[in-house]
This record gives sequence, structure tokens and C-alpha cells, in this order.
Amino acid sequence: EAQVTQNPRYLITVTGKKLTVTCSQNMNHEYMSWYRQDPGLGLRQIYYSMNVEVTDKGDVPEGYKVSRKEKRNFPLILESPSPNQTSLYFCASSPLGGKGTGELFFGEGSRLTVL
Amino acid sequence: DAKTTQPPSMDCAEGRAANLPCNHSTISGNEYVYWYRQIHSQGPQYIIHGLKNNETNEMASLIITEDRKSSTLILPHATLRDTAVYYCIVYRGGSNYKLTFGKGTLLTVNP
Repeated sequence: EAQVTQNPRYLITVTGKKLTVTCSQNMNHEYMSWYRQDPGLGLRQIYYSMNVEVTDKGDVPEGYKVSRKEKRNFPLILESPSPNQTSLYFCASSPLGGKGTGELFFGEGSRLTVL
Repeated sequence: DAKTTQPPSMDCAEGRAANLPCNHSTISGNEYVYWYRQIHSQGPQYIIHGLKNNETNEMASLIITEDRKSSTLILPHATLRDTAVYYCIVYRGGSNYKLTFGKGTLLTVNP
């Protein structure tokens, strides 16, 4: 089954404790992206990647890091989480080229709480 | 990318057609109209997209006006599971392939 898998789905952590949210897709998509969703602010893009070893900042990259060492994986790293990073996070992927560029496949989300 | 305007909420009776409007009066010729939905904090789900012709797939139909300034997403026989926030997005594509999600329309399907 074609899917984007995120882990963990739920996490409560404390300020300053490094954490990684993993994202994996099995569709051989070139493009992957991270969004965060907050009440009243909608979905905002954090980082994106056009292919292996190619990453770039989205609208709200502060406090986050990403890497793309393999095509299928795009982990989101919070080096020193703070309470304002409490949010619902979504990973998404898409094939590049043609009419599929706007068709994103989203994961189920990771709800992160930073105390 | 052009902005969109959607009603904040709509109701629909189960089994009836749900017609969700979207205004995008500043859309340009190379911009597509995309529709997504999000069911209660799950990941957004792609529904359909179009450029200027009407489109239909197994989930829905998309009607785009001739001047392309507005569109309507039609769910032909709404079920309770169609209760969700529906997002209309105008998208051109570009260097980061970013979709900008607005506030959307909360569609509530009532029994």
C-alpha cells in the first residue's frame, strides 16, 4: 500500500531534549516536505526536499533541521525543542513533474507537546 | 499563487450532493485549482484538481467557471464520513512546490 509513515504519532517531551520525527514514503517520490499545523494559522511549510541531498527552507524553518540521505526518508530534527514548537506535524511527498506536482501525499501526523 | 475565498462552514444532509464553492478571482492562466480535505486532524487528502475543464474522479467532481474565477467541488452523495475541512488551493508550481492551505470550509454531513 502506498503510504507516508510518520513516527512517533504522539510525543510529550521537555524543553531542550533533542528529538527526531521520522518520515518514510514507499512511492519513490522525489519531493518531500514537512508542515506544521496550529489553530488559526493553518498548515505552514517548515522544510522541503526536491531529491536526495537537496533540502531548503520553507516558511517557518527556525528551530528545525532536516536531512535527506535516502530518497524514502526525510526526518525532522528538533535540536532543542521549545514550547512554541508544540504542534501537529505532517510529512508529505509527491512525484515531481507533470500534473502530479500539486498532489501531495500526507502522513497521518505527529502530535508533539513540549513542556 | 492567487488567493482563495471559501465559506467557513456548510451543512449537508446525508445522501444529498454537497456543493462547496470557492472564489479565486485573481487566478492566472497557468494556475491550477486543487482541492484537499482534512478529516479531524488526520493528514490532508488530495481530492481533485483542474485547470479549466471540468474534472471528475471516483471521489468528486470539479466545476470551474468559464472565466476561471470560481469553482465548485461536488460530492455527489455525501456520507457522514465526508465530514471534514475542505481546502481550495490555487497552485502554479514552482521552485518548492509549496501548497498554501487557507482556512477551508468545514463541511458537516448530517444524518
